[in-house]
Amino acid sequence: AQSVTQLDSQVPVFEEAPVELRCNYSSSVSVYLFWYVQYPNQGLQLLLKYLSGSTLVKGINGFEAEFNKSQTSFHLRKPSVHISDTAEYFCAVSERDGTYKYIFGTGTRLKVLA
Amino acid sequence: GAGVSQSPSNKVTEKGKDVELRCDPISGHTALYWYRQSLGQGLEFLIYFQGNSAPDKSGLPSDRFSAERTGGSVSTLTIQRTQQEDSAVYLCASSLDGEPQHFGDGTRLSIL
Repeated sequence: AQSVTQLDSQVPVFEEAPVELRCNYSSSVSVYLFWYVQYPNQGLQLLLKYLSGSTLVKGINGFEAEFNKSQTSFHLRKPSVHISDTAEYFCAVSERDGTYKYIFGTGTRLKVLA
Repeated sequence: GAGVSQSPSNKVTEKGKDVELRCDPISGHTALYWYRQSLGQGLEFLIYFQGNSAPDKSGLPSDRFSAERTGGSVSTLTIQRTQQEDSAVYLCASSLDGEPQHFGDGTRLSIL
């Protein structure tokens, strides 16, 4: 069955430090992969996506993610975070089986400390 | 172009009343999703419309919840006989097949 796991519910990190938010998925078919960010009292915004091609994907605000098919992972990274990166981050997959139904992870709350 | 629009942005109602939440997707998007997000929680999938296919209603929490999508465009989520546990932000998103979802800002529903 299709599922997405974000093991870290909260990640505190100091400003200018690097961060990695973990995402693992399970699926019996090929998938598209996405990371979304949600700032307080707002809807979700797309950070980056993997549809095909290079496994290292760069997104907005200096974020990047790497698709690892063997480990079924799509971890999100940023080399140096800012206070403004404090938000909720959601990983999502969409199966390439014609339905394209999305499954979201439970989210990781990133808190950047001064 | 215009993004996904949801209305109302806020809705306060009394327990037991019916409510209707509206979603205007991006023009041409074939897929439309409804999610529920309780305070500090992740996204709870509710229902998924894909083109002319029968909707995937597997996420609807009870028979008090229903949704329709007219003409492949606007969608309405209806909650009958609202309960306090229905209080949440209801998010709508639309997409093309396999493409990223575009989210509205949500409707914040408060049941008194």
